[in-house]
Amino acid sequence: AQTVTQSQPEMSVQEAETVTLSCTYDTSESNYYLFWYKQPPSRQMILVIRQEAYKQQNATENRFSVNFQKAAKSFSLKISDSQLGDTAMYFCAFIWVASYDKVIFGPGTSLSVIP
Amino acid sequence: DAGVTQSPTHLIKTRGQQVTLRCSPKSGHDTVSWYQQALGQGPQFIFQYYEEEERQRGNFPDRFSGHQFPNYSSELNVNALLLGDSALYLCASSLMEGGRMFFGEGSRLTVL
Repeated sequence: AQTVTQSQPEMSVQEAETVTLSCTYDTSESNYYLFWYKQPPSRQMILVIRQEAYKQQNATENRFSVNFQKAAKSFSLKISDSQLGDTAMYFCAFIWVASYDKVIFGPGTSLSVIP
Repeated sequence: DAGVTQSPTHLIKTRGQQVTLRCSPKSGHDTVSWYQQALGQGPQFIFQYYEEEERQRGNFPDRFSGHQFPNYSSELNVNALLLGDSALYLCASSLMEGGRMFFGEGSRLTVL
C-alpha cells in the first residue's frame, strides 16, 4: 500500500522569505505522479505543482519548486518570496498511474506567512 | 466556465439520519471522485465514478454509496450517520483519459 508522510504539522515563515515543506512516501510502484496541493481557508483544494516519477528534472512553477529524490522517496516543496496569500494547508499527494486518479494524501502541513 | 460545484455547502444531521451530497463536475469532465476530509487530516478516497459506474472504492463501509448521472453529475449518500462521519466531503472531477483533477469547495457535514 502507498503511504504519504508529512513530518511538519505546522510551519511559519516571514513574508518574502523562503520555506521548504517536507514529504516522504512509500511505494513499490515505479510509474506514479507526485503533487503538492494547497488548501486555503476557502477549503478548495488547489494544485500547486506536479512531478512525474520518470522525470529526473525537478518541476518548477513560478515561486514554487520541488526537490524530488526518487531513491530516497522524498518530495519537498520550496516556496520562494513567500506571500501572505500562501498561508494555507499544504498536502503532499501521490497517484499510481494505474489507479485511475485515486489520490493518496499526506496529513498536511499548516503554513503561516507572517507579515 | 464553471468549475466543480458542490451542494449543500454546510449541513447538520443527527445520528442515524441519512444525507445526500451533490456534485457537478467541471465542464467536459467525465469522472467524479469523492473524498472525506476529517478535521485536521488529509482527504481520504471514498470512491470514483465513470460512465455511471463505480470504478474503484476506498476503505469505507457500505453505508457510503454513490451514483453518477448521464450528465456526469454525482451524488454521495451516507446512511445511518455516525458522529465520526462529521467531515468535509470533497468532490473532484477529471477526464478518465488523464489530465488534471479539479476539486470543489466541499460540503461540511456535522453529525450531532
